[in-house]
This record gives sequence, structure tokens and C-alpha cells, in this order.
Amino acid sequence: SAVISQKPSRDICQRGTSLTIQCQVDSQVTMMFWYRQQPGQSLTLIATANQGSEATYESGFVIDKFPISRPNLTFSTLTVSNMSPEDSSIYLCSVNGQGTGELFFGEGSRLTVL
Amino acid sequence: DAKTTQPTSMDCAEGRAANLPCNHSTISGNEYVYWYRQIHSQGPQYIIHGLKNNETNEMASLIITEDRKSSTLILPHATLRDTAVYYCIADSGGSNYKLTFGKGTLLTVNP
Repeated sequence: SAVISQKPSRDICQRGTSLTIQCQVDSQVTMMFWYRQQPGQSLTLIATANQGSEATYESGFVIDKFPISRPNLTFSTLTVSNMSPEDSSIYLCSVNGQGTGELFFGEGSRLTVL
Repeated sequence: DAKTTQPTSMDCAEGRAANLPCNHSTISGNEYVYWYRQIHSQGPQYIIHGLKNNETNEMASLIITEDRKSSTLILPHATLRDTAVYYCIADSGGSNYKLTFGKGTLLTVNP
């Protein structure tokens, strides 16, 4: 199993500002995934973060808006840039268990943009 | 990833078995069926997965039809804490897989 810690757990931000969310895993993992969950909606994959290379973004998500860092095998950050109220969501970090077929999720970071 | 179809919501009485259906009629031979759940205000939690055979663990049982076009997740003795959104996902798996979540089924366990 993997234990994932996210910071902050929640924040309230002003329009036009940026926020960086941190994800720390208690073991080394190859890939980390960032998801977004808008109010009342299901999860949508933003990007896959690989250590030592650029993140791979899903359709509809771009690096300028959601820059990702992956400096080592246990840590990643997601920045939500130039925020608008539409960015109000829960942002979740996830990793896969090695060969287990499971994805482990953090508790999420609940972001409210005013 | 194969598309999955689940009922929007279901109710179950506490202590009874909860049977959650999922249709995945376009599933391919190398795709597994995964079940996750998300309790309110928490991150999703893995429940179980299977390829062809029925599977059971400490949380639930997974029954996959012989043609693999549908499956049922069974919570044998539902409790109030099992109230959650349950997601059925068909995916090829592997060590570097990522999941596409649908809308899931909101299971409400009633006292």
C-alpha cells in the first residue's frame, strides 16, 4: 500500500492568483497522477507526472495553466495558475501500487476561488 | 478504456447485501474490471478487481458474467459507512495504468 499526503487540505484563494498543491508519498513510485473533481462531478485526470521528464497532460489541460513538478520519486506538485472561480474543485494526487492493480489516492485539496 | 454504465443511485437496508451492477459490453480481452468507492469528502478507495473469474476479498465480492459484458459488486452486509459513490472501471491495467472515472452509483445504506 501507499500513504499519500496532500497539502494544503483546503484553501480559499482570490481570482488571478496561483496555488501550489504538494503531494508526498511514503514510498518511491514511478508515476503520479493528478485528478480534478469539480463540485458534484466525477474525477477527471489532469496529467501524469513522471520523474525526470515532462508531465503528460490530458485533453483540455495545458502546462501553462497546470504546471507540474516531479523532482523525485516520492514528491510532486501541481500549480493552479491564474485562478478563476471555475477552478474551484478538489484536486487529488494518486499513485499506482506496484503490480497490484490498485490506485492509491490522497485525501485531496479542496480549492475555492472567489 | 471500455465504457461502463452504472445506475445513478441505489438504496440498501443496513445489514443486507448490496448488489451494484455494471455494464461493460465493449470490454476487450485484456481489460480488467475495477471497482473503487468514494466516501463523501475523501479520496477514492480501491475495492476489488478481476479479469474473468469471480473475486472475493475482505471488502466485497466481484461477480463477472461469462461473456464479461457485465459484473456485479456485492457488499455482503452493508453498513451505514458503506454509503458512498461506487465506480466501476474497465481498464487494461499494468504497472503504469491510469483510470478514467465515470459517474458511478451513489449507494445509500439506510438504517
